[in-house]
Amino acid sequence: GDSVTQMEGPVTLSEEAFLTINCTYTATGYPSLFWYVQYPGEGLQLLLKATKADDKGSNKGFEATYRKETTSFHLEKGSVQVSDSAVYFCALRGNTPLVFGKGTRLSVIA
Amino acid sequence: DVKVTQSSRYLVKRTGEKVFLECVQDMDHENMFWYRQDPGLGLRLIYFSYDVKMKEKGDIPEGYSVSREKKERFSLILESASTNQTSMYLCASSFATGKNIQYFGAGTRLSVL
Repeated sequence: GDSVTQMEGPVTLSEEAFLTINCTYTATGYPSLFWYVQYPGEGLQLLLKATKADDKGSNKGFEATYRKETTSFHLEKGSVQVSDSAVYFCALRGNTPLVFGKGTRLSVIA
Repeated sequence: DVKVTQSSRYLVKRTGEKVFLECVQDMDHENMFWYRQDPGLGLRLIYFSYDVKMKEKGDIPEGYSVSREKKERFSLILESASTNQTSMYLCASSFATGKNIQYFGAGTRLSVL
């Protein structure tokens, strides 16, 4: 079945550092791909999405490109802030409801 | 703004109790979902519903049931709560077609003692 694998955390970075969180997927067909973020004490909210190969999703300085050839959707940000501290989930939607990765906790220190 | 409201943020129950977790959305979404979130396991789908009175099992339905009598409300029921059901429960909703973005509630942290 469909599955998502993302890098395990926690990830700790200094403010203004470069962030990459790896995400790879297994799915039949052409799934849509998502990154969700969960800030402390809150539910998940959509960060960005891409619906077809080579699409780039972007929001709040975060970017991810749908790479069909490598079945990947890595999340990147050029300069993280303390306010980016959260748990990040990669997810896909194929023929079933959303399938989530296990989440990566990011802590950004000043 | 889309709003998904879960009735309780924190809940403490005793083993064997019947527990109801309520979720209401205000965007006329067809689809509604219940997940549980546990450290190291991410989000796991318990049940979902594509329409009123319809329900589908997710990945971990054992020990749970659901009810959807009205479009805006989706209830998760623990018939006889057990300690291994201590978890964070998240409700979500989405439109049936289109971009299928799911909107989440803030979660209910349930402790079963």
